[in-house]
Amino acid sequence: DTAVSQTPKYLVTQMGNDKSIKCEQNLGHDTMYWYKQDSKKFLKIMFSYNNKELIINETVPNRFSPKSPDKAHLNLHINSLELGDSAVYFCASSQDPGEQFFGPGTRLTVL
Amino acid sequence: KQEVTQIPAALSVPEGENLVLNCSFTDSAIYNLQWFRQDPGKGLTSLLLIQSSQREQTSGRLNASLDKSSGRSTLYIAASQPGDSATYLCAVVGSQGNLIFGKGTKLSVKP
Repeated sequence: DTAVSQTPKYLVTQMGNDKSIKCEQNLGHDTMYWYKQDSKKFLKIMFSYNNKELIINETVPNRFSPKSPDKAHLNLHINSLELGDSAVYFCASSQDPGEQFFGPGTRLTVL
Repeated sequence: KQEVTQIPAALSVPEGENLVLNCSFTDSAIYNLQWFRQDPGKGLTSLLLIQSSQREQTSGRLNASLDKSSGRSTLYIAASQPGDSATYLCAVVGSQGNLIFGKGTKLSVKP
């Protein structure tokens, strides 16, 4: 009965590949987020979705695209992966504008 | 543009000490402030949420205060234990609902 779950936990892939990370929340929240934690451990917002609408998109390359099939899911698709995309990606959810709950993270390594 | 700063970047204390972690933010127009804990290789655990209308929140040995006018928050940990060793992250909620993080304070509590 994990609140926010992500798959996979680890993802190792070659440059140029396309990959997806899945996120699901069972909290009934109306807003979901994707954050990126870089090699220096700094966390930064990438996207958020509220009721299936993208409401922010922070200077993220268009190779990254969030897709929300329903209110409980926000998946992250990444095209043409680059070395600099290696990071830990965290999904989170909240009942806007309340407390945010985070998933366990997906460690992406691009070789 | 909102910026969040945490001081100190690292802190080492003997077990049993009371300690204070500091967080400052540049724009006082925040919706709320959230403190997290991150263990190595793990996700973020929410510790406390302080709404903009509140001055403090308490949970067990943790007490967080908020002074919006001066752009400051503190996290007080009483009677520290080795199990408290982790990185503590402060984050404020921006106008679009996303969290803006500081770079964290890495705490080490020595037995």
